[in-house]
Amino acid sequence: DQQVKQNSPSLSVQEGRISILNCDYTNSMFDYFLWYKKYPAEGPTFLISISSIKDKNEDGRFTVFLNKSAKHLSLHIVPSQPGDSAVYFCAAKDSGTYKYIFGTGTRLKVLA
Amino acid sequence: DAGVIQSPRHEVTEMGQEVTLRCKPISGHDYLFWYRQTMMRGLELLIYFNNNVPIDDSGMPEDRFSAKMPNASFSTLKIQPSEPRDSAVYFCASTTQGSPLHFGNGTRLTVT
Repeated sequence: DQQVKQNSPSLSVQEGRISILNCDYTNSMFDYFLWYKKYPAEGPTFLISISSIKDKNEDGRFTVFLNKSAKHLSLHIVPSQPGDSAVYFCAAKDSGTYKYIFGTGTRLKVLA
Repeated sequence: DAGVIQSPRHEVTEMGQEVTLRCKPISGHDYLFWYRQTMMRGLELLIYFNNNVPIDDSGMPEDRFSAKMPNASFSTLKIQPSEPRDSAVYFCASTTQGSPLHFGNGTRLTVT
């Protein structure tokens, strides 16, 4: 059973517009969430995180929103750039472990 | 820092052969993880270690898979015997408290 779900396998966005990537989770014990970005033939790299005591965290063009009641998080990229084209993974864990559970990923394509 | 180092980058083997994947974590990191990436399941956690001790191996698919961490700077993931359905990209990652997961560039395994 997939505890972290990314229901959109792919997304295309025009350069300069907003990209919104979504992630749902089922385990109510999860209290720390992360987004990773992956280019072909490379390992995933950390992008941004959020703890459950917050509902928003911002880092430059990247903002993560957390809705605990809906067990949903989203990553907003504004403005989107062609270099943002990659696969994005969301991940979650609970504070009692280091067991990071990842989703299936969403492939973002930013069109120039 | 050199980052997490994995070898080999690519491995092609025949069904039934033994395969050994290797990982050197970032110096000072006390947690080490093995993940497998497939289209269907995304990044799937196989096993993770803390201070060289396996903490959770519930993701190891079957007895054909084994992982060891003989010291703080080296880990192996072994598949014996290998099967075509084991074909995937295998990632090693490491971390320590207060740090996100850092991934290596992966080993692409093809079993024919």
